[in-house]
Amino acid sequence: SAVISQKPSRDICQRGTSLTIQCQVDSQVTMMFWYRQQPGQSLTLIATANQGSEATYESGFVIDKFPISRPNLTFSTLTVSNMSPEDSSIYLCSVEFYQGIYTQYFGPGTRLTVL
Amino acid sequence: AQKITQTQPGMFVQEKEAVTLDCTYDTSDPSYGLFWYKQPSSGEMIFLIYQGSYDQQNATEGRYSLNFQKARKSANLVISASQLGDSAMYFCAMKGTSYDKVIFGPGTSLSVIP
Repeated sequence: SAVISQKPSRDICQRGTSLTIQCQVDSQVTMMFWYRQQPGQSLTLIATANQGSEATYESGFVIDKFPISRPNLTFSTLTVSNMSPEDSSIYLCSVEFYQGIYTQYFGPGTRLTVL
Repeated sequence: AQKITQTQPGMFVQEKEAVTLDCTYDTSDPSYGLFWYKQPSSGEMIFLIYQGSYDQQNATEGRYSLNFQKARKSANLVISASQLGDSAMYFCAMKGTSYDKVIFGPGTSLSVIP
């Protein structure tokens, strides 16, 4: 399995500002995923981050709003830019593992509130 | 297109009883994987169990078992001997091949009553 940490665990931000969320994994992984979970909703994939290449964004998500960095095989950041109250969500990073079966593990999440 | 359906928004179960959480899926992929995750109020997503579409036997992990009925496209989670700590949201998820990302169902909120 993988141990995944995220910083910050929660934050309260003002409208129009930006927040960068960090995700650290205790082992090298090829792909990292960023999800958003709006209040009372399920998880929605924002983008997939591969080391050394541009992130791949899902429909409805754009790089200008959610820039992602992936400088190495154990670390990634997601920035939520020019925030509005609609961005209030839990943001989760995730990594995939193959150990006989395919598994996807999640970090503890970052709970963001935008005022 | 792939889709996960969980028709039970909320469920209640008495402590020590068994409970079944329903999940149906839609895919035309011949090979796929099915997952269940638990999300307590703290927000973390905890992996519970995995079932591959070609697995002959239903997956089991401790008190969790997956009732996989391929022809019906259902992958229900059975929790035996419910505990108070089982109170959480439960998400069914799937990863296929035509769209090789994990997609999640809407979730079921489980409350265990003492």
